[in-house]
Amino acid sequence: NAGVMQNPRHLVRRRGQEARLRCSPMKGHSHVYWYRQLPEEGLKFMVYLQKENIIDESGMPKERFSAEFPKEGPSILRIQQVVRGDSAAYFCASSRDTPAGDAEAFFGQGTRLTVV
Amino acid sequence: AQSVAQPEDQVNVAEGNPLTVKCTYSVSGNPYLFWYVQYPNRGLQFLLKYITGDNLVKGSYGFEAEFNKSQTSFHLKKPSALVSDSALYFCAVTPYGGATNKLIFGTGTLLAVQP
Repeated sequence: NAGVMQNPRHLVRRRGQEARLRCSPMKGHSHVYWYRQLPEEGLKFMVYLQKENIIDESGMPKERFSAEFPKEGPSILRIQQVVRGDSAAYFCASSRDTPAGDAEAFFGQGTRLTVV
Repeated sequence: AQSVAQPEDQVNVAEGNPLTVKCTYSVSGNPYLFWYVQYPNRGLQFLLKYITGDNLVKGSYGFEAEFNKSQTSFHLKKPSALVSDSALYFCAVTPYGGATNKLIFGTGTLLAVQP
């Protein structure tokens, strides 16, 4: 059972371009979370999705950022018109569904975005 | 504001000695508590969690953590450290009523185990 797969591992974009980060959850997992880790900081929650639905996007910047988790295919975190401050490691995590909703999340290796 | 504090940026310990990595939290209600470990250029790996029940939780690689409600702490411990335990450790908490994995993370503690 492969773990959470993120690609690309490293992404370089020029200011103003779009960045598209992909995340394939573990097999059998229907919950996906995106986190951002800025240099010298801990991870910060961005968004929580279930298949085709955004459950909680309270950590997402209001502009330029969007996320989706379609019925088929990976979850996508999209950053439009990137700026240098978007440079960070973006981690995806997934968890399975349980009656109590208490399953832990498993994290991918992250995508390191560098904006030049 | 809800938060997690890891008061030590770095913990140094000799191989074979016990280790403790400290974590305190400030959230409303009864939280879920987690420890994750991050190796260089890797994602986070789950170590253990406290949801309810016994305050002493045992996890992967010989680690354990004790939930102390009165002190709002969840310190990570291991009786005998290994050099391979050297990594960045994150404490995380889910506020009561929130989705389990909408986590608030501490800033991390770097554990360095000397041979």
